[in-house]
Amino acid sequence: LAKTTQPISMDSYEGQEVNITCSHNNIATNDYITWYQQFPSQGPRFIIQGYKTKVTNEVASLFIPADRKSSTLSLPRVSLSDTAVYYCLAGTGAGSYQLTFGKGTKLSVIP
Amino acid sequence: GAGVSQTPSNKVTEKGKYVELRCDPISGHTALYWYRQSLGQGPEFLIYFQGTGAADDSGLPNDRFFAVRPEGSVSTLKIQRTERGDSAVYLCASSLRASSSYNEQFFGPGTRLTVL
Repeated sequence: LAKTTQPISMDSYEGQEVNITCSHNNIATNDYITWYQQFPSQGPRFIIQGYKTKVTNEVASLFIPADRKSSTLSLPRVSLSDTAVYYCLAGTGAGSYQLTFGKGTKLSVIP
Repeated sequence: GAGVSQTPSNKVTEKGKYVELRCDPISGHTALYWYRQSLGQGPEFLIYFQGTGAADDSGLPNDRFFAVRPEGSVSTLKIQRTERGDSAVYLCASSLRASSSYNEQFFGPGTRLTVL
């Protein structure tokens, strides 16, 4: 499991695009990058997963450069309800049952 | 459909007591996981079940912690002789299966355990 590093906290105004970058210098060839979101008093919720280049779903986009040593979660036009902790995880997709969470990035959206 | 449910939502106990925490996974999910989350930290893996058997219990901190899943659905995490350091939120998650390239785990709301 690759160690990940991400900012402890970020602030953003409503309506702005937010990009949270995660470093995973020791990522292995078969590791996937996964992001989870956690609201207070709730369990984490899967947002997006990718292996390389760009992945987009209805919630976010995930950008992974060719060297895969970092990744960026992009949240378009955030609202107050996007205030949460965002976790970046890097581990093997196949058979990867043990999720390893760091401290995450606490995103605060300001009106 | 219903998500992962956990009961109780809050549990306050005294040091030295025994507690049981219950998890009801999403119907049809064969894989079940327990995590523990301390304040300001990310969840920490405790144990993983595939069906009825504990496939990996390497995250259990010591032998006071034990978990079962007798019929391959509901799971119970049991903590004996609780200590103040056991205070945390205990999260349960389930997934369709673990041996997949797409392993989205669905988490419950957690049980907040407070040991006085």
